[in-house]
Amino acid sequence: DQQVKQNSPSLSVQEGRISILNCDYTNSMFDYFLWYKKYPAEGPTFLISISSIKDKNEDGRFTVFLNKSAKHLSLHIVPSQPGDSAVYFCAAGSNQFYFGTGTSLTVIP
Amino acid sequence: DAGITQSPRHKVTETGTPVTLRCHQTENHRYMYWYRQDPGHGLRLIHYSYGVKDTDKGEVSDGYSVSRSKTEDFLLTLESATSSQTSVYFCAIKGGRAENTIYFGEGSWLTVV
Repeated sequence: DQQVKQNSPSLSVQEGRISILNCDYTNSMFDYFLWYKKYPAEGPTFLISISSIKDKNEDGRFTVFLNKSAKHLSLHIVPSQPGDSAVYFCAAGSNQFYFGTGTSLTVIP
Repeated sequence: DAGITQSPRHKVTETGTPVTLRCHQTENHRYMYWYRQDPGHGLRLIHYSYGVKDTDKGEVSDGYSVSRSKTEDFLLTLESATSSQTSVYFCAIKGGRAENTIYFGEGSWLTVV
């Protein structure tokens, strides 16, 4: 059974608007939560992370929110840019990291 | 760039043959991982290592073995390749720029015919 789930396979947003990508997990023992961006034929690129002791972390246009009671995290991208179009993976774990199935984001110019 | 090199980058092999993928890191990280990426499944952990000769199974370890005889090298072996092992394989390390974060190599594309 999947420990990390991304229930939206795809998302389209207009350039300049907010993109919100969601992720759910099942194991309350996970210590760290990570987001990655992936282009075809490349390895995943780390974007931003958050530890279980925090509920928000910002890095430029990217903000990750963690809701431990709901076992839910989200990635906000503001403003969205066409170059953000990619597949986004969330991951959770401590030493072993489990990944979701990804959300394909398309930012429309 | 996390100093990870995967080889080979592309390989076509026949069913039943053994295949070894190599992951090499230059920054002395303790943890190393092998993942596979398949459509509809995301990235799934095959095996990981937490030190020389210390390895453990991940989510999809059947049909795979690993070895780590040196800190810098983590080998993934398919003892007898099957078509279901056609995939993209990514090596990763934990550490680097952000603590408690994993960084990936560029991937190895394996086709089993």
